[in-house]
Amino acid sequence: KAGVTQTPRYLIKTRGQQVTLSCSPISGHRSVSWYQQTPGQGLQFLFEYFSETQRNKGNFPGRFSGRQFSNSRSEMNVSTLELGDSALYLCASSSLGQGAAGYGYTFGSGTRLTVV
Amino acid sequence: EDKVVQSPLSLVVHEGDTVTLNCSYEVTNFRSLLWYKQEKKAPTFLFMLTSSGIEKKSGRLSSILDKKELFSILNITATQTGDSAVYLCAVEAMNYGGATNKLIFGTGTLLAVQP
Repeated sequence: KAGVTQTPRYLIKTRGQQVTLSCSPISGHRSVSWYQQTPGQGLQFLFEYFSETQRNKGNFPGRFSGRQFSNSRSEMNVSTLELGDSALYLCASSSLGQGAAGYGYTFGSGTRLTVV
Repeated sequence: EDKVVQSPLSLVVHEGDTVTLNCSYEVTNFRSLLWYKQEKKAPTFLFMLTSSGIEKKSGRLSSILDKKELFSILNITATQTGDSAVYLCAVEAMNYGGATNKLIFGTGTLLAVQP
């Protein structure tokens, strides 16, 4: 059973550019969440999608956006990159449905974004 | 504001020691508490706890939740160098609609096991 796949693994971008990261969840999982991990702030929730709908969003500026496709693959986009956006971006997939009991979240290996 | 606090921030032990990692939380609309191990990139799932007082075990690792006092502990017995990692505690929170949709993480405990 394939795990959660994130691409690309590494990215170097310049301030002001935009970037798109991709996450393919475990087959059959309909929920995809995105997290930003930095040494100072730890893991912080960005947003979560379920069946192509954003159900919740964390406290990040509007430059951070995402979407989910009908096959459950998700993308997140960061526009007008800033140095502080340098981080490991992790996505997690879950089989959770509305109100269902959770069975944990499986994380991908992440995309390491460096903004210079 | 929802928060999850882990202690200690870091810990150095010798192989064979037993360690206890702590996690306390203040989260609205609690659903469950999860423990993860992060060695390089992807956090790997250890336990999910939803009920108080029921210990979950996996080999040398065990964990328990106290929903009255709002904390959890992760125990590792007979530690090995391969246990060296960051251990993350996260609380799963529901939104008003009852859908579970986000994890609130603590800052983690860095465990170093020396030979």
